[in-house]
Amino acid sequence: GDSVTQMEGPVTLSEEAFLTINCTYTATGYPSLFWYVQYPGEGLQLLLKATKADDKGSNKGFEATYRKETTSFHLEKGSVQVSDSAVYFCALSDRGYSTLTFGKGTMLLVSP
Amino acid sequence: EAQVTQNPRYLITVTGKKLTVTCSQNMNHEYMSWYRQDPGLGLRQIYYSMNVEVTDKGDVPEGYKVSRKEKRNFPLILESPSPNQTSLYFCASSLTSTLNEQFFGPGTRLTVL
Repeated sequence: GDSVTQMEGPVTLSEEAFLTINCTYTATGYPSLFWYVQYPGEGLQLLLKATKADDKGSNKGFEATYRKETTSFHLEKGSVQVSDSAVYFCALSDRGYSTLTFGKGTMLLVSP
Repeated sequence: EAQVTQNPRYLITVTGKKLTVTCSQNMNHEYMSWYRQDPGLGLRQIYYSMNVEVTDKGDVPEGYKVSRKEKRNFPLILESPSPNQTSLYFCASSLTSTLNEQFFGPGTRLTVL
């Protein structure tokens, strides 16, 4: 079945550091890929998505590129802020509709 | 304001006492879904609904029921809760069942003693 593997956290960084959160997936078809973010005490929000190979999703300074050859969708940001502290979830859908398979989440902690 | 609302936000109950967690969306979305979030496991889908009167099991449906009598509401029912259903529950909705962005509610933290 489908699965998503994310790097374990927490990831602790200083403000303005470079961020990478790794995500790899296993799927039978050609999935669409997503990153969701969960701020403390809130529900999940869509951060970015990519629907086909080599697509790059980007939003709020974050970006991720759909790499079919390595089955990866790593999240990157050039300069993190304290306000980026949250839990980040990688997810996929390969059934052509909205049902998502999530990774376990990676907590990011950014200190001033 | 476009949103997904859940009630209650927090609930402590005892084993076997039936409960319902309500979910409502005001965006005229066709697709709705319930997830549970547990430490180290991420989010797992419980049930989903592609439209009114159409529901289907997700990955962890045991011990849960749902109904979709109206488009805006998708309640989650625990007929006889057990301690292993202690979790954080999220309702989500999207415009259609075809790969639209999902909007999540704020979550319901349930503790079953």
